[in-house]
Amino acid sequence: DGGITQSPKYLFRKEGQNVTLSCEQNLNHDAMYWYRQDPGQGLRLIYYSQIVNDFQKGDIAEGYSVSREKKESFPLTVTSAQKNPTAFYLCASLPSGSETQYFGPGTRLLVL
Amino acid sequence: QKEVEQNSGPLSVPEGAIASLNCTYSDRGSQSFFWYRQYSGKSPELIMSIYSNGDKEDGRFTAQLNKASQYVSLLIRDSQPSDSATYLCAVNGDYKLSFGAGTTVTVRA
Repeated sequence: DGGITQSPKYLFRKEGQNVTLSCEQNLNHDAMYWYRQDPGQGLRLIYYSQIVNDFQKGDIAEGYSVSREKKESFPLTVTSAQKNPTAFYLCASLPSGSETQYFGPGTRLLVL
Repeated sequence: QKEVEQNSGPLSVPEGAIASLNCTYSDRGSQSFFWYRQYSGKSPELIMSIYSNGDKEDGRFTAQLNKASQYVSLLIRDSQPSDSATYLCAVNGDYKLSFGAGTTVTVRA
């Protein structure tokens, strides 16, 4: 099956801890995106990558980091510098030549 | 940051009625517009995209775009309980999407 997978579905973070959210796609899409969604709000862009080994900050990059070593993978690390990390995190990918983004199932991050 | 505003909800409509959702955007240069549906606890799924002024119909959904007024809307005809969800308006610019806060629609049986 082709698609975008995110893991884990739920993630718990302790104070001062870095955690990494996984995003994998086997659709051969070039661009990948990370969004954060808070209750009752739209999606806000954290980071995006249009090609391997390159990525750009979105609107709310502070406290987050990413890497893009492989086309299929775009992991997001929520660092201890992110003081309010509780949210629903969504990964998306974009086929080359298209403007339609497709979303993974999401990871819900909670702080203990 | 590009602004995308949606009419505040929640919007409650009886089954079989038309639900009308509105969205305005600030970047006059935007060319691509999308409506996503998001069920509670799930990720957004694309239901409509529109690029040219006018109407675009897909089944019970009609998107309307007016670039001069910087306005895009979504009509849901013959609303069904399964249409109960949050609808997100998204506007593309520089390969990035800007999203509105969403309008929650509840269809009453």
